Amino acid sequence: LAKTTQPISMDSYEGQEVNITCSHNNIATNDYITWYQQFPSQGPRFIIQGYKTKVTNEVASLFIPADRKSSTLSLPRVSLSDTAVYYCLVAVRNAGNMLTFGGGTRLMVKP
Amino acid sequence: KAGVTQTPRYLIKTRGQQVTLSCSPISGHRSVSWYQQTPGQGLQFLFEYFSETQRNKGNFPGRFSGRQFSNSRSEMNVSTLELGDSALYLCASSASANTGELFFGEGSRLTVL
Repeated sequence: LAKTTQPISMDSYEGQEVNITCSHNNIATNDYITWYQQFPSQGPRFIIQGYKTKVTNEVASLFIPADRKSSTLSLPRVSLSDTAVYYCLVAVRNAGNMLTFGGGTRLMVKP
Repeated sequence: KAGVTQTPRYLIKTRGQQVTLSCSPISGHRSVSWYQQTPGQGLQFLFEYFSETQRNKGNFPGRFSGRQFSNSRSEMNVSTLELGDSALYLCASSASANTGELFFGEGSRLTVL
């Protein structure tokens, strides 16, 4: 079962690029890595998902090295509205394994 | 397309009581999973259901149980409530099992007095 570890908090300024790294030791071969954003009093919202190398969508990029023991969420040019908690999640394909979230990274974007 | 709906949004119970929370997934989604979120423990996986079958269960005592109906709606129940059960309970649905692409509801905030 993969365990996921993230920094507790990060600060940034508007317009900067933010990179949040998640460590997932013992990740199984078939695990995907998924990232979520959560605002207060709301459920987490899906941002991006990847299996290996790099994935990019309209809001973020996800970088996964060859050993897949970590992943980095990259948010380009953050704005104040990106202030939120970001979670990584290791998903598994095999039955009998459970979904494991990281502890969450609280991102504060300052003007 | 309607999102994941959880009811009730807020509730207050006392120790020893039991509570049932409901989750209606996105139409067409067959997988429903439940999570407990507390400030100290973060997001903790409770269980996952797919086509009315529990596929996975997290490390929670037997007081926590759930079920899924044929229309994919799900309920979770907590019996003999303890103060430590106070939390935000989140439900998520997905189109298939074993995927991290989850769609969450806004949660049911339970306070145990």
